[in-house]
Amino acid sequence: AQSVTQLGSHVSVSEGALVLLRCNYSSSVPPYLFWYVQYPNQGLQLLLKYTTGATLVKGINGFEAEFKKSETSFHLTKPSAHMSDAAEYFCAVSDSTGNQFYFGTGTSLTVIP
Amino acid sequence: DARVTQTPRHKVTEMGQEVTMRCQPILGHNTVFWYRQTMMQGLELLAYFRNRAPLDDSGMPKDRFSAEMPDATLATLKIQPSEPRDSAVYFCASGLGTGVDTQYFGPGTRLTVL
Repeated sequence: AQSVTQLGSHVSVSEGALVLLRCNYSSSVPPYLFWYVQYPNQGLQLLLKYTTGATLVKGINGFEAEFKKSETSFHLTKPSAHMSDAAEYFCAVSDSTGNQFYFGTGTSLTVIP
Repeated sequence: DARVTQTPRHKVTEMGQEVTMRCQPILGHNTVFWYRQTMMQGLELLAYFRNRAPLDDSGMPKDRFSAEMPDATLATLKIQPSEPRDSAVYFCASGLGTGVDTQYFGPGTRLTVL
């Protein structure tokens, strides 16, 4: 069985500050991990994903995430927040077949000018 | 630029009326997902199809909701009769049907049931 936990439903950072959004997963098999972003009044879009290989994954808009198997984590980071990063962020996990997948409950990011 | 399209984008209806939402997946994608998003419940998976066959619809209230794929280019989600608690944004997403695949989301249908 798989599940995803996003710690912190709301995160606020100052413009230019580090963004850290937390995601922990539970999975009985090697997972595939995703981060999606949802801007207001839009559907979700993929930020980045981990499948195999390098554990540090770079995505769009300067975001990156690191797969840490020992910590069962896939935290999303960005060195310097921009006002345009304000959105809802969802972590998701899937098995290899795509038949078992779960989205986290989302973290709303606010960027303070 | 291939995109998932959904119609209508907004729908206001009265309780008891039938509502049909349509989704056109990206050409070549064989998996279609229906989600519902509300402030209280967040993002909920209602159902998904692979190669037009329903794989999982356990998240869908069976008594009033139904989902179908009449053909590979059209997925429908129907609510009959609609209730105020069905007010939400309904998203369709499509993908290639593997674990590593990205889900491509449509813009959503905002449903308000009065």
